Amino acid sequence: DADVTQTPRNRITKTGKRIMLECSQTKGHDRMYWYRQDPGLGLRLIYYSFDVKDINKGEISDGYSVSRQAQAKFSLSLESAIPNQTALYFCATSDPSAGGRETQYFGPGTRLLVL
Amino acid sequence: AQSVTQLDSHVSVSEGTPVLLRCNYSSSYSPSLFWYVQHPNKGLQLLLKYTSAATLVKGINGFEAEFKKSETSFHLTKPSAHMSDAAEYFCVVSRAGGTASKLTFGTGTRLQVTL
Repeated sequence: DADVTQTPRNRITKTGKRIMLECSQTKGHDRMYWYRQDPGLGLRLIYYSFDVKDINKGEISDGYSVSRQAQAKFSLSLESAIPNQTALYFCATSDPSAGGRETQYFGPGTRLLVL
Repeated sequence: AQSVTQLDSHVSVSEGTPVLLRCNYSSSYSPSLFWYVQHPNKGLQLLLKYTSAATLVKGINGFEAEFKKSETSFHLTKPSAHMSDAAEYFCVVSRAGGTASKLTFGTGTRLQVTL
C-alpha cells in the first residue's frame, strides 16, 4: 500500500551494528505497528503505538526499540544487530473503529540481513 | 487467548480450477477474521475481512470466505484460479473490542497455480 512506506527496502549489516528502519504513513492513522516475518512463522508483533505518547511491547520486543516521532512516523531500531534478527520487517497502521474491528494496512517491508 | 491454524502450508492447483485454502481459529472473544495475500517481494494486501456481519464475505479478485462458528473455520475460496493468484496467503484473527488491536497470524499457505 503506497500510503505506508518503509525505508530502506533492503539492508545488509554486520553483527553489532546499530541500524534503524523507518516507517511513514499518509493515512492519518493513530495506531502503528512493527512486525517481523520469518519463514514458516507468519508475522509476529514487535512493538505497537496507539498514539505519539503511547508505546507498547509486542510478543518479541527483546533486542529492539522504537520511536514515535510524530503521528505519521514510527521507527524501529536494532541497537546491536545479531544474525537471528535477519528477517523481513513490516510496518502497519490502523484507525480504531467502533468495537475494535479495525483493519491494519501494511507497508512493503524491509528485508534485513545481519552477517 | 487466540490462535490460527492454516491447515496446508502449500497448495497447488491448475489454472481455471477452484481454490480452497483452509483456516481454523480459536478465540476467547468474538473475533474479527482476515485474509491477507503477499505476492513475491510485496507487502501484505487485505483480501477480505469478517467483522460479525454477513457470514459469507466477498473480497477482491473473486475471493470469498465463509465464517462458520460451529466449525471455528474461515476457509478462503475462489471458483477459478488465475496465474496471478500465485502468492502466500495468511489467515489472521483479531480480538474485537477493548483498546487492543492485536493480530494473530497463521503460518501462511503458499498457493501455486500451474498451467
